Amino acid sequence: QKEVEQNSGPLSVPEGAIASLNCTYSDRGSQSFFWYRQYSGKSPELIMFIYSNGDKEDGRFTAQLNKASQYVSLLIRDSQPSDSATYLCAVQSPGGYNKLIFGAGTRLAVHP
Amino acid sequence: DAGVIQSPRHEVTEMGQEVTLRCKPISGHNSLFWYRQTMMRGLELLIYFNNNVPIDDSGMPEDRFSAKMPNASFSTLKIQPSEPRDSAVYFCASSFGGQTMTRTTYGYTFGSGTRLTVV
Repeated sequence: QKEVEQNSGPLSVPEGAIASLNCTYSDRGSQSFFWYRQYSGKSPELIMFIYSNGDKEDGRFTAQLNKASQYVSLLIRDSQPSDSATYLCAVQSPGGYNKLIFGAGTRLAVHP
Repeated sequence: DAGVIQSPRHEVTEMGQEVTLRCKPISGHNSLFWYRQTMMRGLELLIYFNNNVPIDDSGMPEDRFSAKMPNASFSTLKIQPSEPRDSAVYFCASSFGGQTMTRTTYGYTFGSGTRLTVV
């Protein structure tokens, strides 16, 4: 079992819809969770982090965390074509030192 | 702040040659990470440093790979000899971190990456 699993996609949604990206992790001791966006040919950029169960909202983005189910998700409201990218879920390893384990990423395509 | 600076941006080399990738982390960050990204394997952590000390190099694929961090503002990743299967994008990232950091709010800042092609 991979430490951090994501559906590779592509996830295709129409412009204006809600995109839902999901991630599961294997280590129950993980405390912090991050979402990165990576445009083709570019480096990953941090868009959200969450460490408490529940929802965290930032603009059109909402991160959701359920530690009991070892599940973290990212919702993008009012999806725009500019949101088309690969979204990487990253989970902090419990061993300290701020070590992050990345999932393989989900490719999102928002079509007009 | 100029962000994490990597050089070169692109490197094409012949099999068997030595390749050196360079990274300057963000000033004040005390953790530095080297990742490799391919379509097949995604982002793989190769090695990371904390306060210039290598903490975990278990991701380094072979003895052909080595990394150093002689000071807080510079790190290198060397491949000697290079092979075609080393072709990938290599990212350097920096952040804050420490041994007791079990919960962090500090994400990574990635450099622009070095696209390595070994022919």
